[in-house]
Amino acid sequence: DIQMTQSPSSLSASVGDRVTITCQASQDISNNLNWYQQKPGKAPKLLIYDASNLETGVPSRFSGSGSGTDFTFTISSLQPEDIATYYCQQYDNLPFTFGPGTKVDVK
Amino acid sequence: EVQLVESGGGLVKPGGSLRLSCAASGFTFSNAWMNWVRQAPGKGLEWVGRVKSKPNGGTTDYTAPVKGRFTISRDDSKNTLYLQMNSLEIEDTAVYYCTTTYDLGVLNYWGQGTLVTVSS
Repeated sequence: DIQMTQSPSSLSASVGDRVTITCQASQDISNNLNWYQQKPGKAPKLLIYDASNLETGVPSRFSGSGSGTDFTFTISSLQPEDIATYYCQQYDNLPFTFGPGTKVDVK
Repeated sequence: EVQLVESGGGLVKPGGSLRLSCAASGFTFSNAWMNWVRQAPGKGLEWVGRVKSKPNGGTTDYTAPVKGRFTISRDDSKNTLYLQMNSLEIEDTAVYYCTTTYDLGVLNYWGQGTLVTVSS
């Protein structure tokens, strides 16, 4: 199975800050990488697909980049409603696997 | 509007069985590849398995911990996805989500989830 790691595991930032999360795959997954946001008690929501494509309706402050084994997810200006846990997920190989998540809160 | 509504969760003893359902609407279910993803309490997300659309063979794939115990099926006439869970273990305790698939592995719509608790 492809192992996904994320860092940091949690972070606290101020409103307006730029927030960056990294995701690393244990082998080359091309750009077959998605990012999800999960708010407490809610289902995950797709934000970024194929490493860098913004899902329809998702604010443009969210972005993704990378290919191969190293990926980055960025919130350009953190908003209070962005408090959530963020997960990366690879779909290059079965089984699909998720990173352990990064919990983001606002100072 | 795409809607996925899971049901069938509950409390079951170890070794028991449960069948989850996911009622779909707002899209052409028969063409959709569907997945189940679970989340143990306070933990991360784990992909459980998927079923392809019948035009693509209708075949299933599973993660290793559930292979041989869980079965995913679909009834396109009812726009419903199922997860039959047998020989349940305490480690299967989780919220189970059904999801649609875009482009092979992009999980683009999610239901609200249903909680399965395996406990004696």
